[in-house]
Amino acid sequence: GAVVSQHPSWVICKSGTSVKIECRSLDFQATTMFWYRQFPKQSLMLMATSNEGSKATYEQGVEKDKFLINHASLTLSTLTVTSAHPEDSSFYICSAPAAGSSYNEQFFGPGTRLTVL
Amino acid sequence: AQSVTQPDIHITVSEGASLELRCNYSYGATPYLFWYVQSPGQGLQLLLKYFSGDTLVQGIKGFEAEFKRSQSSFNLRKPSVHWSDAAEYFCAVVEPGGSYIPTFGRGTSLIVHP
Repeated sequence: GAVVSQHPSWVICKSGTSVKIECRSLDFQATTMFWYRQFPKQSLMLMATSNEGSKATYEQGVEKDKFLINHASLTLSTLTVTSAHPEDSSFYICSAPAAGSSYNEQFFGPGTRLTVL
Repeated sequence: AQSVTQPDIHITVSEGASLELRCNYSYGATPYLFWYVQSPGQGLQLLLKYFSGDTLVQGIKGFEAEFKRSQSSFNLRKPSVHWSDAAEYFCAVVEPGGSYIPTFGRGTSLIVHP
């Protein structure tokens, strides 16, 4: 099946710094990717839809200047957490819909654990 | 708007016992239905999916799920649980013909006793 990778798998940073998380579709192209945030013991919360070659679409309540999304190619989307603070600590997961699938199936990355000190 | 309900936050079973995790959805038509498993610190792995046809679907790791239209349910089952099945399980629905974005239930944490 299709594989989605994320890098890094975990990152620790100081408050005020920026962190970039990469999401790659390894063996298929994805014009759309999705970014989720997951708090401990909770479900996934959709943050934004990343669109190749155009601006991302953010869900209500998600600060677009805080969480910068760039979808520069058909296989790569990046999420940059700018001026990170401890409350941004979370598990971030990306996904991409299966190419050619008419059933709207998603493939999920393994997630990135962000800890802001 | 569609919604997904997983009524059980935690389920505890003994190793070797059978398992059923409940999932109910609220949607006008039959959505596409998924079950995912998440081990601690990991991403989501697809266990099985239902799009149409046979209402009993088989998945990986010995799991199965049955779609019941009359009950708007898609419960996940396994006849004999292994200790390695301890994880978080998420039910999700996708609107046919709509966006690719799934709506997730809040998850059920499975605890397996030896």
